[in-house]
Amino acid sequence: GENVEQHPSTLSVQEGDSAVIKCTYSDSASNYFPWYKQELGKRPQLIIDIRSNVGEKKDQRIAVTLNKTAKHFSLHITETQPEDSAVYFCAASIRMTTDSWGKFQFGAGTQVVVTP
Amino acid sequence: DTEVTQTPKHLVMGMTNKKSLKCEQHMGHRAMYWYKQKAKKPPELMFVYSYEKLSINESVPSRFSPECPNSSLLNLHLHALQPEDSALYLCASSQVIRGGSRAFFGQGTRLTVV
Repeated sequence: GENVEQHPSTLSVQEGDSAVIKCTYSDSASNYFPWYKQELGKRPQLIIDIRSNVGEKKDQRIAVTLNKTAKHFSLHITETQPEDSAVYFCAASIRMTTDSWGKFQFGAGTQVVVTP
Repeated sequence: DTEVTQTPKHLVMGMTNKKSLKCEQHMGHRAMYWYKQKAKKPPELMFVYSYEKLSINESVPSRFSPECPNSSLLNLHLHALQPEDSALYLCASSQVIRGGSRAFFGQGTRLTVV
């Protein structure tokens, strides 16, 4: 089955700096890669996602890149702010059949701390 | 609207109790999921329902019993749980987008088994 590795496990950045989180996946059939942000005691919140036919996607201060050949994808946060502090999870999923959508395999998570 | 609603938010139950967790979405999503999340760990898939039919059971013990009464509702029936089952239980639902499925999570039920 799919295995997703995520690095680093913790990331401390100064406010205004950039943060980068990297994930690798094992199953070349994976075709969809979401990123979730989870604040303490709250639900995982989808912040950005990318499909396998796209190399890069950007939404304001957040961007995701995908390298299908190397089987890795990354989350980039620019101009970090204290409210970016949270645990970030990457995930990979395979659409197996028309009736079986999105069996997600999550990475272990990255605790991001943005210090003022 | 990307709202998935779960009740209750908190639940404390004894090992001999029977309780149910409820999940509701009105986004027209046809896939619904139960995940279990332990502290400082990623969500761990338990069950997937597609078109109200159970399509994936990740070898979950029978003391957890899912039910999907209709396309908007998902239940998780709990019976004879163990203290190690204490966790955050998350429901999610997904739409279908080309090349993948975008999943949205409920706020979870914090379960404590005593």
